[in-house]
Amino acid sequence: AQKVTQAQTEISVVEKEDVTLDCVYETRDTTYYLFWYKQPPSGELVFLIRRNSFDEQNEISGRYSWNFQKSTSSFNFTITASQVVDSAVYFCALSEATNTGTASKLTFGTGTRLQVTL
Amino acid sequence: GAVVSQHPSRVICKSGTSVKIECRSLDFQATTMFWYRQFPKKSLMLMATSNEGSKATYEQGVEKDKFLINHASLTLSTLTVTSAHPEDSSFYICSAKPGLAGVSQFFGPGTRLTVL
Repeated sequence: AQKVTQAQTEISVVEKEDVTLDCVYETRDTTYYLFWYKQPPSGELVFLIRRNSFDEQNEISGRYSWNFQKSTSSFNFTITASQVVDSAVYFCALSEATNTGTASKLTFGTGTRLQVTL
Repeated sequence: GAVVSQHPSRVICKSGTSVKIECRSLDFQATTMFWYRQFPKKSLMLMATSNEGSKATYEQGVEKDKFLINHASLTLSTLTVTSAHPEDSSFYICSAKPGLAGVSQFFGPGTRLTVL
């Protein structure tokens, strides 16, 4: 069975601080996909990144960066120089790959609520 | 591209009535759509996987007769909450996967259901 753990339920930082959101996953599959989503107060899920299990390269996109380490089954997300607009709930999710290589259903972590204050 | 809409965005109904929620992929064909439920300050829990032209696959613990899913076309899936009760009040979110080889799911904006 797949499992995603986001141990941090809530994090509060002051604007301009860096913050890292942790994600640890469990799966028996050798091929899988990892995702991060942002859910602002409006409720709509915003896709941030997808990473497949064969691609361990870290990625940077503006103030966002992701550190994928298969050895520790972690896929952590760092926001540099946080801003008030970053306040939201962030979900890490895992999807197994079907035998055709496509992704199937998502298993979500419990989410981390990030509050960025002035 | 890859826009998914949901209608209605918010619905309030009386206990015992049925409510239909629509999920549409606006600019792509979705052979597979997913329905999730999210309680306040909780995570998203998959309810069912909807495949166009076939019966939906429900997750363990989800009542098929309570949550009717129909995926009649490649761009539309509907979730009907039958005989709704206050405990069915929740945020329902759908997602759609483009084509047969899609990897990512694209999420709708969600429907907030309140049952009085």
